[in-house]
This record gives sequence, C-alpha cells and structure tokens, in this order.
Amino acid sequence: DSGVTQTPKHLITATGQRVTLRCSPRSGDLSVYWYQQSLDQGLQFLIQYYNGEERAKGNILERFSAQQFPDLHSELNLSSLELGDSALYFCASSVGPATTQYFGPGTRLTVL
Amino acid sequence: QQQVKQSPQSLIVQKGGISIINCAYENTAFDYFPWYQQFPGKGPALLIAIRPDVSEKKEGRFTISFNKSAKQFSLHIMDSQPGDSATYFCAASKSTGGGNKLTFGTGTQLKVEL
Repeated sequence: DSGVTQTPKHLITATGQRVTLRCSPRSGDLSVYWYQQSLDQGLQFLIQYYNGEERAKGNILERFSAQQFPDLHSELNLSSLELGDSALYFCASSVGPATTQYFGPGTRLTVL
Repeated sequence: QQQVKQSPQSLIVQKGGISIINCAYENTAFDYFPWYQQFPGKGPALLIAIRPDVSEKKEGRFTISFNKSAKQFSLHIMDSQPGDSATYFCAASKSTGGGNKLTFGTGTQLKVEL
C-alpha cells in the first residue's frame, strides 16, 4: 500500500458525460501527479501540482482539467467523455516537486 | 516521439534464472531513472531507481545497470521467482525546470515459470 488513495475504484459512464476522479496524497506529500494508462498509449503523464499550483503539463486534453485543494487532495475532471477516454487513471504523489513518485491504485474509467 | 524505448515486450524466464529488461532514452537532460513493477489491477510500485552519477545500483535481487554514454539502462532480476511475474516499466525524468513528469517505456510483461 503506497499511502495514496483514489476514489472511485471503478466508474462506468456514457459518452458526453462529465466525471470527477479524486486523489488523496500520502501524508506529508505536497506534489500530486495524474497519469493515464491505456492499451494503445501506455502510461502517459497528464499534469502535476505542487502545493496547490500547477507545475507541469503533459498531453492533457482541453476537455480535462485538474486542481489541487488547500488540504492537498486533487481532483481530475473529465468532460464531454468519448469512448477513447476509457482507461486507468493513476494519481501519484511525492514530497517535493522533483522527488520519488508513489502511485495510487487507480480509477478504471469505462465510457460506453 | 517516444523518448524511452523498452525491450523486450514480453519475457519468459525459468524459476531461478536471470531476467533482463533494457531501456534506451533520447533526452540527455533526464537525470532520474526509476523502474516500476505493476501487477494486474494495481498501480505501479517503485522497485529501484538510479541517477546518472553511478553506473550500477543493487537492492536485493534487483540491479540497475546504467550506461550514460550509450543512453541505456537495464534491470536485472536475479534468482527470478514466480512472484516476480508482473509488468515492469522503466521511466525517466528531469528534476530541473520545476516539474518532474515521468516518461515511461512501453512495459515488459515478465512471466517466471516453475
């Protein structure tokens, strides 16, 4: 158990809908990362926050947005969902902005 | 453009044998190279990591070998066990610039047979 928690574990929704994925980092970690894992794209970095501020951005779609709250938990919002958005979404956390990342168990999103 | 290339895609090793997974990177600014292990339905778990100022790092049965001039690094699993059967990902990142995104290889599915 890495200490990173993610909810929900599974999410099934329809195309065009909007969902929110939640992540709580390990105690003491200030940085949160979001990754997408799919069969065709592998593990892809989406976005990083450090102590509430955006630090780095990957190939995150404009339909996706994220934020980190004052209590350091983070949410990833996915809107106008498409079939291709079906994937595992992982959150990771680290103490600093450039230290070892520990991954949560993931949220499996299925878009029907 | 894939910046971290990983091979082989899959690997079958006999119990007690040595598993070797290779990765090559392109970006010379990378300065941190971790390996993650992932079991089905679970998140990636950090196995071992190395920085380019050393050529080898060993932790138990797991060893990373690093060749800076060739821009290659590899994971060796000694005395492979059935419990090591999982998908292994190499990754790379650069710690400067404020961000620390991990760029992952495509993964290697390891199966250790009895």
